[in-house]
Amino acid sequence: GNSVTQMEGPVTLSEEAFLTINCTYTATGYPSLFWYVQYPGEGLQLLLKATKADDKGSNKGFEATYRKETTSFHLEKGSVQVSDSAVYFCALSGNQGGKLIFGQGTELSVKP
Amino acid sequence: DGGITQSPKYLFRKEGQNVTLSCEQNLNHDAMYWYRQDPGQGLRLIYYSQIVNDFQKGDIAEGYSVSREKKESFPLTVTSAQKNPTAFYLCASSILGQKNTEAFFGQGTRLTVV
Repeated sequence: GNSVTQMEGPVTLSEEAFLTINCTYTATGYPSLFWYVQYPGEGLQLLLKATKADDKGSNKGFEATYRKETTSFHLEKGSVQVSDSAVYFCALSGNQGGKLIFGQGTELSVKP
Repeated sequence: DGGITQSPKYLFRKEGQNVTLSCEQNLNHDAMYWYRQDPGQGLRLIYYSQIVNDFQKGDIAEGYSVSREKKESFPLTVTSAQKNPTAFYLCASSILGQKNTEAFFGQGTRLTVV
């Protein structure tokens, strides 16, 4: 079946450091891929998405490219801020949309 | 503003009690979902519904029940049969049938068994 694997956290970085959170997936067909962010005590917010191979999703300085050949959707940001501290979830959905399969989440902590 | 409203934010349950978590959306979405979140784990699907008066089990439906009497509402009941109900519960909704559509989430309900 479909599945998502993320790098384990927590990840601790200094402000302005480069961020990469790895995400790989297993899926039949051509899923859509998503990154969600969860701030403490809150629900999930969509950060970015990509719906076909080689698409790049971007938002708030974060980027991720849908790589079908490596079944990956790694999240990157060139310069993190303290306010980026949160848990990040990689997810995929099939043709129905909405019914998401999540990775286990990666906690990011950014220190001043 | 359109969105998903979950209530209450915090809920305490005694052993052997059933409790119901509320989820309401005004986004006119057909599909609604309940996920459970445990520390260090991803979100696991409990139940989902694609149309009024119909719903399907997700990966961890045992000990839970749902209803979908109105398009806007998808309450989740955590029954006494659920062995370990302490968790963070998230409700979501989405447009149905579009591959690239994302799910929109509520703010969650934290359930604690006391």
